[in-house]
Amino acid sequence: DTEVTQTPKHLVMGMTNKKSLKCEQHMGHRAMYWYKQKAKKPPELMFVYSYEKLSINESVPSRFSPECPNSSLLNLHLHALQPEDSALYLCASSQSFREFGYGYTFGSGTRLTVV
Amino acid sequence: DAKTTQPNSMESNEEEPVHLPCNHSTISGTDYIHWYRQLPSQGPEYVIHGLTSNVNNRMASLAIAEDRKSSTLILHRATLRDAAVYYCILNYGGATNKLIFGTGTLLAVQP
Repeated sequence: DTEVTQTPKHLVMGMTNKKSLKCEQHMGHRAMYWYKQKAKKPPELMFVYSYEKLSINESVPSRFSPECPNSSLLNLHLHALQPEDSALYLCASSQSFREFGYGYTFGSGTRLTVV
Repeated sequence: DAKTTQPNSMESNEEEPVHLPCNHSTISGTDYIHWYRQLPSQGPEYVIHGLTSNVNNRMASLAIAEDRKSSTLILHRATLRDAAVYYCILNYGGATNKLIFGTGTLLAVQP
């Protein structure tokens, strides 16, 4: 299995809703990442997990809450989002976060619309 | 932060080679050069990466200048399916495999 699977593919949520995005990989990768991508812009790094521990939070608002329950699974919990949070949310994984030269495998993303 | 500079867009004809340039004049000795591409409505896809020597794989070749201040991604025979945004990225931070995307090059392939 050489894929990163993200669910759901599309999500529409109201500003008062709570929802979660899910990301799964079975490649034995020990680093996992969340990126946010607005239309016609490059992906922006949000969070990095290394060996199931949060290593980097790129000053992301607390309405985004990541969770790594095990080495294969990464969640992004969403609460009280704003319409400007509408974007493509990408998950990625790599062999390691502390060693150079490893490529990332990206999922196809969750297209989130906040209404 | 070590940054990269790429042309905003390029055009190519189908079945011809494509050379996508990238400048990274502030690269440090331990920075790897990564290339990813993103097709419409998909997540980025790993293409190739290298440190000092030229690299080849089934998708592309990576030519790295001797001083490492620039590199070129070479697609040997462009197809319509190669139309995408191509990102040249350096490892960031000196001690981690953190990838920070720049604006990339939008490659159009004409039939």
